[in-house]
Amino acid sequence: EVQLVESGGGLVQPGGSLRLSCAASGFTFNDFWMTWVRQAPGKGLEWVANIKQDGSERYYVDSVKGRFTISRDNAKNSLYLQMNSLRGDDTAVYYCASGAVATYWGQGTLVTVSP
Amino acid sequence: SFELTQPPSVSVSPGQTARITCSGDPLSKQYGHWYQQRPGQAPMLVIYKDTERPSGIPERFSGSSSGSTVTLTISGVQAEDEADYYCLSADSSSVFYVFGTGTRVTVL
Repeated sequence: EVQLVESGGGLVQPGGSLRLSCAASGFTFNDFWMTWVRQAPGKGLEWVANIKQDGSERYYVDSVKGRFTISRDNAKNSLYLQMNSLRGDDTAVYYCASGAVATYWGQGTLVTVSP
Repeated sequence: SFELTQPPSVSVSPGQTARITCSGDPLSKQYGHWYQQRPGQAPMLVIYKDTERPSGIPERFSGSSSGSTVTLTISGVQAEDEADYYCLSADSSSVFYVFGTGTRVTVL
């Protein structure tokens, strides 16, 4: 059974940093692209970033370029999202998902950016 | 970047058919994928590559594509199908993705 478990969310002040983690199991992690998606309170889904199997390619939505970094550790079956210079509009539930087209999803972790 | 446009809401009676459209230029060349998100839950993939249904998804969910529009059809709608539905597609390079604006399906 595929499982994706996000962690690392919480309350952070504007301008602060946070690192999200996603622990994957139940599939061959290093065979798949991985994706981060977020959802602001009461809003729709927003694709944030994805990363190729070996980490050699990474892509971001314009609003997070230069502030967020996606990475992975295939030895640990883990995906990460380093978030710097956080802003209020980054407040959202952050989901990790397997594959470029987000086949399986975790339950999400809430990030709140507020003074 | 690009946009994928969906109707904000669709209402349907139990047992009837719901159709949700998703329109955007990339869809003429790229696949569309569909996700269901029930209240308080994570999204779930219900259709991929325009028409394919993942294992475990009921047969009443189907997808189609025409021009720059993809359509999710729910036949014989049940109360449990009440949810938000989102489409997803990629740009021409197939590395940047965008979700549609989302459609709330209400079962009357």
